[in-house]
Amino acid sequence: DAGVIQSPRHEVTEMGQEVTLRCKPISGHNSLFWYRQTMMRGLELLIYFNNNVPIDDSGMPEDRFSAKMPNASFSTLKIQPSEPRDSAVYFCASLPGWNTEAFFGQGTRLTVV
Amino acid sequence: QQQVKQSPQSLIVQKGGISIINCAYENTAFDYFPWYQQFPGKGPALLIAIRPDVSEKKEGRFTISFNKSAKQFSLHIMDSQPGDSATYFCAASKGGGADGLTFGKGTHLIIQP
Repeated sequence: DAGVIQSPRHEVTEMGQEVTLRCKPISGHNSLFWYRQTMMRGLELLIYFNNNVPIDDSGMPEDRFSAKMPNASFSTLKIQPSEPRDSAVYFCASLPGWNTEAFFGQGTRLTVV
Repeated sequence: QQQVKQSPQSLIVQKGGISIINCAYENTAFDYFPWYQQFPGKGPALLIAIRPDVSEKKEGRFTISFNKSAKQFSLHIMDSQPGDSATYFCAASKGGGADGLTFGKGTHLIIQP
């Protein structure tokens, strides 16, 4: 298995633009998590899904952020409109139902200028 | 509110020495305590994890010590090697690990040859 796949790896966008980050979890995993990593705040959980259903979105910072999981093999995190303070590395992770090891993707480094 | 506090922020250890990283948590509902290792440009990867029904877990050179009454846990890396140089994160979760991870701020470990 190729692991958790995120795209793009790097994204540079102008303030006010819409940004969409994509994640393909490991096949057979039934939970998916979005995290954000910054120097100031470290790794923060934004939202997670179980069997494609959003379970906890209390970590989503503002209404500008939204996440979807239309099927078991794909999820998106959208920021509209983007702001410079959204600059961070965004990680997607998936978790199988039979154990507790979360597998992380390589991350998407977002820069909003 | 920082629910998981990690120290030190950075650590330099000589090759062959013991690296020790400490974490403290606040939420007594946490029931799963993993340590993640992250190399530059990569996502975090699970190193070792423990549940509160045991006080110690060892896997190779890596040991977690857990003190439930003090709400503290630590990672010991024995015979530290240059390849261990990375950022280490402690984390905690409810639901046996299924509810998403609350991370400490991380420790940047450098092993000097």
